[in-house]
Amino acid sequence: QSALTQPASVSGSPGQSITISCTGTSSDVGSYNLVSWYQQHPGKAPKLMIYEVSKRPSGVSNRFSGSKSGNTASLTISGLQAEDEADYYCCSYAGSSTKVFGGGTKLTVL
Amino acid sequence: EVQLVESGGGLVQPGRSLRLSCAASGFTFDDYAMHWVRQAPGKGLEWVSGISWNSGSIGYADSVKGRFTISRDNAKNSLYLQMNSLRAEDTALYYCAKDQSARPVGDFDYWGQGTLVTVSS
Repeated sequence: QSALTQPASVSGSPGQSITISCTGTSSDVGSYNLVSWYQQHPGKAPKLMIYEVSKRPSGVSNRFSGSKSGNTASLTISGLQAEDEADYYCCSYAGSSTKVFGGGTKLTVL
Repeated sequence: EVQLVESGGGLVQPGRSLRLSCAASGFTFDDYAMHWVRQAPGKGLEWVSGISWNSGSIGYADSVKGRFTISRDNAKNSLYLQMNSLRAEDTALYYCAKDQSARPVGDFDYWGQGTLVTVSS
């Protein structure tokens, strides 16, 4: 159960697009279409933004999108807004009723 | 409205035990898997344990296997985490999270506000 690998930080200007990668292995990300992404603002509980690789929960902006290729999943945020500044975590099913998170990525909106 | 309210956290000495509880409301509790996720101060999220709707499927992170036990009482709409042999590295905010699936394989669509566990002498 090794943590998924995410960049520690990414940044972008308002209106731009950014992509956060999430690299796992053939035992987790590569084996299941069960990757999710969470947004966490300081002092708040995480919020589900993307599930099953690319599905958006009701109420989540369509500026958020997800994809996967091989052992790497990605979260793309288009039309960056100041309110998108937060920490983002990916999470994957890893078999045998276990899950694994990424280390988290701090998004800064310049 | 879905609500998850954790309780049971506090200051505990290394090697001692603590039991966390999560009271759920606003949804049909026994239709869904549930999880515990923790976050050490200033650190990232770590999945701890998950349990299926009927307790038939349970998983643990390697870091807590053999020390922590997850359970649920569907009659009481409650989730529990029994934590034994606590270590300093178990210090964290512990979140209760609802799965979108009946098995602990899905995604966490609702989270509680967390209960803080501090392991220190």
